Amino acid sequence: AQKVTQAQTEISVVEKEDVTLDCVYETRDTTYYLFWYKQPPSGELVFLIRRNSFDEQNEISGRYSWNFQKSTSSFNFTITASQVVDSAVYFCALTPENTGFQKLVFGTGTRLL
Amino acid sequence: GAGVSQTPSNKVTEKGKYVELRCDPISGHTALYWYRQSLGQGPEFLIYFQGTGAADDSGLPNDRFFAVRPEGSVSTLKIQRTERGDSAVYLCASSFPGTAQFFGPGTRLTVL
Repeated sequence: AQKVTQAQTEISVVEKEDVTLDCVYETRDTTYYLFWYKQPPSGELVFLIRRNSFDEQNEISGRYSWNFQKSTSSFNFTITASQVVDSAVYFCALTPENTGFQKLVFGTGTRLL
Repeated sequence: GAGVSQTPSNKVTEKGKYVELRCDPISGHTALYWYRQSLGQGPEFLIYFQGTGAADDSGLPNDRFFAVRPEGSVSTLKIQRTERGDSAVYLCASSFPGTAQFFGPGTRLTVL
C-alpha cells in the first residue's frame, strides 16, 4: 500500500526563522516520484517540486530546500528565513510506479502559521 | 487560459439532487485528474483520463459518481442523488503524461 505521513499538523514560525516540514512515505515500488505542493488560503494547490526516487541529491530553490533520504523514506522540506507569504498548508505526495505515476497519494498536510 | 479552470467555484445543492462540475485543463495537457478534498485532509484521487478515456477510475466512491471527457479536453464530474457526505472541495488537475500535475482552484460543493 502507498501512504504519506506528515506528522506535524500545524507549525507556528516567527518571521525570518527557518522551518522544516517532515514527510515520511511508504511504498513497495522501487520507482516512484515524490512531490510537495503548497495550498495558500485561496485554496489552489501550487506545485513546488517533483523528485524521482533514483535521484537523492538535495535540491535548493531560493529559500526552499528539499532533503530526500531513501534510507529513512523521508522527503523533508525546509523554508529558510520564513515570510508571511509562506503561510499555507503544505502537502507531500507520492506517485508510485504501479499507478503509472498518475495517481497522487497525499499526506494530510502541515499548516504553517 | 493559462491555468486549469473549474466552474462553478461554489455549488450549494439539496440532498438527492444531481450536480455537474466542470474542469477546463491547461491547453495541450492530455492527462486530466479529479480529486476530492475534505476539510483538514489531503486531496484523494477519484479518476484519471488520458485523452477521452478513463484510464483509472478506482477512486470513485460509488456508482453515483461519473465523469466524462468526450473530446479529450473539458471534463465534467457528475454526481447523482447527492448526499451530505459528498460535501467537499472537488479539485481538477491536468498534465502531460508522467509529469507534474497542475491544479485548478476547485469547486466547493455543499449538500444541504
